Amino acid sequence: QLQLQESGPGLVKPSETLSLTCTVSGGSIGSNSYYWGWIRQPPGKGLEWIGSVYYGGSTYYNPSLRSRLTISVDTSKNQFSLKLSSVTAADTAVYYCARPVEMATIWSACDIWGQGTMVTVSS
Amino acid sequence: EIVLTQSPGTLSLSPGERATLSCRASQSVSSSYLAWYQQKPGQAPRLLIYGASSRATGIPDRFSGSGSGTDFTLTISRLEPEDFAVYYCQQYGTTPLTFGQGTKVEIK
Repeated sequence: QLQLQESGPGLVKPSETLSLTCTVSGGSIGSNSYYWGWIRQPPGKGLEWIGSVYYGGSTYYNPSLRSRLTISVDTSKNQFSLKLSSVTAADTAVYYCARPVEMATIWSACDIWGQGTMVTVSS
Repeated sequence: EIVLTQSPGTLSLSPGERATLSCRASQSVSSSYLAWYQQKPGQAPRLLIYGASSRATGIPDRFSGSGSGTDFTLTISRLEPEDFAVYYCQQYGTTPLTFGQGTKVEIK
């Protein structure tokens, strides 16, 4: 059974870079051609799609975050990662990684989600 | 960017009642690429419906989705105690993928 697990610092200082990793277990990123995604949710608010990365490395980013965002994949570690630079308090949120229903397309809902990790931006 | 507006913001109902949730898009959603998720406190979202009307694996048939273009509906035919939660719609036919602001279904 495929499972996703987010990891990374729970506290990041303003202006620094937020770095998170999603580890995939129960299946191989390299053998399944999915667009692996990141979604976030500020406390008490709704969901925001951050971006997605294909197992081969191509990416789609939310334009609102593109200038600060890097999403990458490491098939050897069965992980994909998110880096968001120059963070502010507005980046405080629960960050989720997720896998879509459909292979090889960004045009898909996500049916497998990590449990989420809370990241607070504060000095 | 496609803006999704969900209504009502809160729905107060009793177990056994029917729930009807609306999601309206600011422009037509490509190929009915519209999904519905359920989220309970402290949990990740759970996919209920994709492609506007297809139930995800393991989702009970009391959940149904309908609609096309700019107007979509999630119906819960008879509310069970575990259905009280927040529901989000999402369009995934145009980037950026976007979510509605959510509808909370609460116990009356």
